[in-house]
Amino acid sequence: NAGVTQTPKFRILKIGQSMTLQCAQDMNHNYMYWYRQDPGMGLKLIYYSVGAGITDKGEVPNGYNVSRSTTEDFPLRLELAAPSQTSVYFCASRKVQGGLNTEAFFGQGTRLTVV
Amino acid sequence: KDQVFQPSTVASSEGAVVEIFCNHSVSNAYNFFWYLHFPGCAPRLLVKGSKPSQQGRYNMTYERFSSSLLILQVREADAAVYYCACGVADKLIFGTGTRLQVFP
Repeated sequence: NAGVTQTPKFRILKIGQSMTLQCAQDMNHNYMYWYRQDPGMGLKLIYYSVGAGITDKGEVPNGYNVSRSTTEDFPLRLELAAPSQTSVYFCASRKVQGGLNTEAFFGQGTRLTVV
Repeated sequence: KDQVFQPSTVASSEGAVVEIFCNHSVSNAYNFFWYLHFPGCAPRLLVKGSKPSQQGRYNMTYERFSSSLLILQVREADAAVYYCACGVADKLIFGTGTRLQVFP
């Protein structure tokens, strides 16, 4: 199994451009998450999904959109890139059945720079 | 506001036991998760639970609003960022991360 795969690994965007960060998992996990990591700030939750067709806002959703049309994929869309969105983005997934004691599995991250 | 707190840096000598403390203000948190993160890699789980737990050299203490990660016989290769997370409802809320420095 590949686990959680994020593409691209690196990207430089100009202010105002748009892009989609891709995330795919092959573990049949129902829950998926997007986090951003900024120095000294830890991992902040942007959006999450508990299943196909269901998405919810996290702590820092402004400037982002998500969709979950399949169980496997959870793309993150930036419509009008701003320098404040320069960050490392992590996608994660977990299998939740009955209890919530399961851990999340992470991708390797996408480093995005907006100039 | 739901928040998870960790020290920004912890330093230790090789071979010692190092403790990284975490506490939170999260209502209805049900669990702690401790992750290890090397830059450029995917964060990975070390230990989790709602009671004291151990996985190899990693021990986790548990109180309702706090947890500590203890790393036994710490090595230079353990120098990384350690994240504490709380499980609440459908989410995992992460702390700001603790950078572990290990000195020979």
